[in-house]
Amino acid sequence: NAGVTQTPKFRVLKTGQSMTLLCAQDMNHEYMYWYRQDPGMGLRLIHYSVGEGTTAKGEVPDGYNVSRLKKQNFLLGLESAAPSQTSVYFCASSYSLDLGETQYFGPGTRLLVL
Amino acid sequence: LAKTTQPISMDSYEGQEVNITCSHNNIATNDYITWYQQFPSQGPRFIIQGYKTKVTNEVASLFIPADRKSSTLSLPRVSLSDTAVYYCLVGVPNYGGSQGNLIFGKGTKLSVKP
Repeated sequence: NAGVTQTPKFRVLKTGQSMTLLCAQDMNHEYMYWYRQDPGMGLRLIHYSVGEGTTAKGEVPDGYNVSRLKKQNFLLGLESAAPSQTSVYFCASSYSLDLGETQYFGPGTRLLVL
Repeated sequence: LAKTTQPISMDSYEGQEVNITCSHNNIATNDYITWYQQFPSQGPRFIIQGYKTKVTNEVASLFIPADRKSSTLSLPRVSLSDTAVYYCLVGVPNYGGSQGNLIFGKGTKLSVKP
């Protein structure tokens, strides 16, 4: 049981390049989330999904797109990377958001946009 | 969304009890209070959740006064390994359009010294 895994662990992009971050979970969770974390800012929700084929915007969705084609995977895409998107990206999943249910986080992806 | 306010940082020594208070003056009737812990270079992990009065588990206690406008996370006899950032979240646990329980804020950086 690997829990939540993220690919890649680290990436350097040039401004304008595109890339996709992959999040995978093996816990059969319905809900999945993408956050970004910047120094001194805490975590901010980018997008989330409450089930296969459904996605919704979080606090800071601009510049990102997501897809949930399979229940176990949640993809985060950057179509045209900008230096402001330099951050650590965390993926998380949960069975639900009911009382007592917790989110399980991946190890993070460090992205540097030059 | 209920906004939370926490101290930016706190210092403690090994063996002491640490209390971290979170203010949430506009908490809604249905909102729950959830705390997460984040170690450097890792994703957050769930610590405790409560609605009112006191909740205790093997890791921490959560004290919530009657007016629920604040809450206090209590860590008994901290050790060096408790050095981390602690986040207070307020919102409705089950998904219904509210993202309160997905808003992490900046958290409190706890440093435990020997």
